[in-house]
Amino acid sequence: EVQLVESGGGLVQPGRSLKLSCLASGFTFSNYGMNWIRQAPGKGLEWVASISSSSSYIYYADTVKGRFTISRDNAKNTLYLQMTSLRSEDTALYYCARHSRILRIRGDWFAYWGQGTLVTVSS
Amino acid sequence: DTVLTQSPALAVSPGERVSISCRASEGVNSYMHWYQQKPGQQPKLLIYKASNLASGVPARFSGSGSGTDFTLTIDPVEADDTATYFCQQSWNEWTFGGGTKLELK
Repeated sequence: EVQLVESGGGLVQPGRSLKLSCLASGFTFSNYGMNWIRQAPGKGLEWVASISSSSSYIYYADTVKGRFTISRDNAKNTLYLQMTSLRSEDTALYYCARHSRILRIRGDWFAYWGQGTLVTVSS
Repeated sequence: DTVLTQSPALAVSPGERVSISCRASEGVNSYMHWYQQKPGQQPKLLIYKASNLASGVPARFSGSGSGTDFTLTIDPVEADDTATYFCQQSWNEWTFGGGTKLELK
């Protein structure tokens, strides 16, 4: 069974940093592209960042480019999101999601999602 | 960015057929996907590449469309289908529609 468990969320002041983690199990982590997707309270879904299986290809939404860094450690089956210069508009539930097809990210969709970790940016 | 537009809400009676639309600001070929999100839960994949049913999803759900106009159909609607439905494109990176909240009368 595919499982994705996010952690690292919490309350942080504007301008500070936070690092999220997503521990994966139930599949060969190193074969799949991974993503962060967020949802502000009561709002819709916003794709944040994607990383290919070998970290060769990385993409960011314009809203986080230059502030957030996606990375992965295939030996630890873990996906990360380093967030810096946080703003109030970054307040959201952050989901980790796995792509559907082996070794593909372009054109692919999100087959499995974690439960999310809540990030609140406030003074 | 490719913008996806959905109607905010729909209300239907159990047993009826409902169609939820999604319009893209530019062509996305068949790279449109649909998700269901129930309150307090993570999104769940329903349909991928416009018309393909995801594993374990009831055949009451179906998808159609190509280019800029896409539809998710539920027939017949059941009480458990109360949820918000999101479309998402992967032709030009990845974007989501604003979601359609489905309520049952």
